[in-house]
Amino acid sequence: AQKITQTQPGMFVQEKEAVTLDCTYDTSDPSYGLFWYKQPSSGEMIFLIYQGSYDQQNATEGRYSLNFQKARKSANLVISASQLGDSAMYFCAMREMDTGNQFYFGTGTSLTVIP
Amino acid sequence: DVKVTQSSRYLVKRTGEKVFLECVQDMDHENMFWYRQDPGLGLRLIYFSYDVKMKEKGDIPEGYSVSREKKERFSLILESASTNQTSMYLCASSFRQGASSPLHFGNGTRLTVT
Repeated sequence: AQKITQTQPGMFVQEKEAVTLDCTYDTSDPSYGLFWYKQPSSGEMIFLIYQGSYDQQNATEGRYSLNFQKARKSANLVISASQLGDSAMYFCAMREMDTGNQFYFGTGTSLTVIP
Repeated sequence: DVKVTQSSRYLVKRTGEKVFLECVQDMDHENMFWYRQDPGLGLRLIYFSYDVKMKEKGDIPEGYSVSREKKERFSLILESASTNQTSMYLCASSFRQGASSPLHFGNGTRLTVT
């Protein structure tokens, strides 16, 4: 079974609007971390935000927030007030405490911000 | 800030050549990883290392080997390059302990095998 599933290959959003990128995960480990990365066309992978499985609050970093629904095993990324520079690939990833050396990645969502 | 440096941004090699991709990190991370990225397939793990001289196979190790002689350096070796190894290669590192330590990536190497 896939550890991380991103069901949206491509998304479009109007500039200044908010957008939600979906991510669901599969684990039986009670201790895990969830991460989102941004990959612009230049290729580098940029770490955006982290959510721990025991965190009570949803993580936020500037315009990025993570909508963490533990019972549904979802960790959606919300980008508020989209900017043209947000156009990129976005990857969701998970790291389990039991297999702490491995990271599991989704296949990514390509976001295009329309002026 | 963590810095993960990959030796080449773009590389063009011929079929059958032995290819070395080098990666250096400056944050004393125990774990280092090599991924391959292809359109529609996401990131696939080739090899990772959790300590000097230690290595573990990832999902697609065939045709590749690795070397970690020093903690800060992790090399990916294509023993005999083939055209199906044309891809983007990403090196990354992290601390070993805990689920909260993120991966830090290099800028990637776009390898073309002709």
